[in-house]
Amino acid sequence: DAGVIQSPRHEVTEMGQEVTLRCKPISGHNSLFWYRQTMMRGLELLIYFNNNVPIDDSGMPEDRFSAKMPNASFSTLKIQPSEPRDSAVYFCASSFLTGRNNEQFFGPGTRLTVL
Amino acid sequence: LAKTTQPISMDSYEGQEVNITCSHNNIATNDYITWYQQFPSQGPRFIIQGYKTKVTNEVASLFIPADRKSSTLSLPRVSLSDTAVYYCLVGAFDTGRRALTFGSGTRLQVQP
Repeated sequence: DAGVIQSPRHEVTEMGQEVTLRCKPISGHNSLFWYRQTMMRGLELLIYFNNNVPIDDSGMPEDRFSAKMPNASFSTLKIQPSEPRDSAVYFCASSFLTGRNNEQFFGPGTRLTVL
Repeated sequence: LAKTTQPISMDSYEGQEVNITCSHNNIATNDYITWYQQFPSQGPRFIIQGYKTKVTNEVASLFIPADRKSSTLSLPRVSLSDTAVYYCLVGAFDTGRRALTFGSGTRLQVQP
């Protein structure tokens, strides 16, 4: 298995532009997570899906952020419009969640820089 | 959601055993304890998970006392490659529940 795949690995954009981050979870996993990591705030959970349905989006910072999971093998995180404070590493993770299994598999991350 | 407290940093030398303790005083009955490792420029990687007593795998051991208000990750004979940030997470997953939260972690520096 190739693991969790994220694209792009690096993104540099200008303030006000739309940014779309993509994630392909591990086949067979039923849950997908989007995290953001910065030096100041650490690793923050933004949103997670279970069976393609958004379960908890309370970590999404504001309306500029949106996430979709149209099918079990693909998810996007969109920022529109982007701002310099959105600069961070964005991680996608997937898992086969049960009540007893909390093991998440993380992708390599997308390093976003908003100028 | 159970809050966790870990030391900010630890130093060790190659070949030593390292024990990192995490406090989680308000752990819930159905919460599990999970530890992750993160190297620079990489996503976190699952190390070990447990509910009570002791769990051991090829990488580490996890000790959980009877009251479950703390846990200790034990890394035997560390090497330079074990230099990383280690996160303790406490929580449970099922549909509709709040997911696990990563705290500040413990930055382990292994010296030669």
